[in-house]
Amino acid sequence: DAKTTQPPSMDCAEGRAANLPCNHSTISGNEYVYWYRQIHSQGPQYIIHGLKNNETNEMASLIITEDRKSSTLILPHATLRDTAVYYCIVGYTGTASKLTFGTGTRLQVTL
Amino acid sequence: EPEVTQTPSHQVTQMGQEVILRCVPISNHLYFYWYRQILGQKVEFLVSFYNNEISEKSEIFDDQFSVERPDGSNFTLKIRSTKLEDSAMYFCASSVWDRQETQYFGPGTRLLVL
Repeated sequence: DAKTTQPPSMDCAEGRAANLPCNHSTISGNEYVYWYRQIHSQGPQYIIHGLKNNETNEMASLIITEDRKSSTLILPHATLRDTAVYYCIVGYTGTASKLTFGTGTRLQVTL
Repeated sequence: EPEVTQTPSHQVTQMGQEVILRCVPISNHLYFYWYRQILGQKVEFLVSFYNNEISEKSEIFDDQFSVERPDGSNFTLKIRSTKLEDSAMYFCASSVWDRQETQYFGPGTRLLVL
């Protein structure tokens, strides 16, 4: 699986958009980009995933660059409850695919 | 909304003892996983399970570990002879047939080996 690089921490004011970058320059053509988050010590929570097109769901938007070497997770209106560690994961989809977590970005949302 | 549940939430055991961690995956899910997270470290994959057999396991998942789906609802992780370094949060996850890349995680079992 391709490696990812994320900043260790970021701050965001409540109500503002949080833009979390991820570099995955060695991604291969059929690897997906997944985003999960972990609030405090809870189990990781799926946010969104994509292959090459931008994706949006009720939680977030995922912008993948045309060369697929980087992506950005956007939380459009961050709240205090979005304070968490956000993981960008690259991997293949397939039978019982494991998730390989890195160290992620610790997002702190402040008043 | 359906959830993955895990019991117990906390377990303290003596080194060398056997522990069984229990998980109830979401009912229509077919793929099951165990991950662990040592305090302050990354979430690490242990094992995946499908159709009553292990699909993949990591180097961590040695002979001391085993998994089982004893009935239609439970999924268990057994550690035969616990070591101090097995102290961690253990997460169970499950996913459906056609959305297997979106894994739903349980709240975890915090295991402390003394």
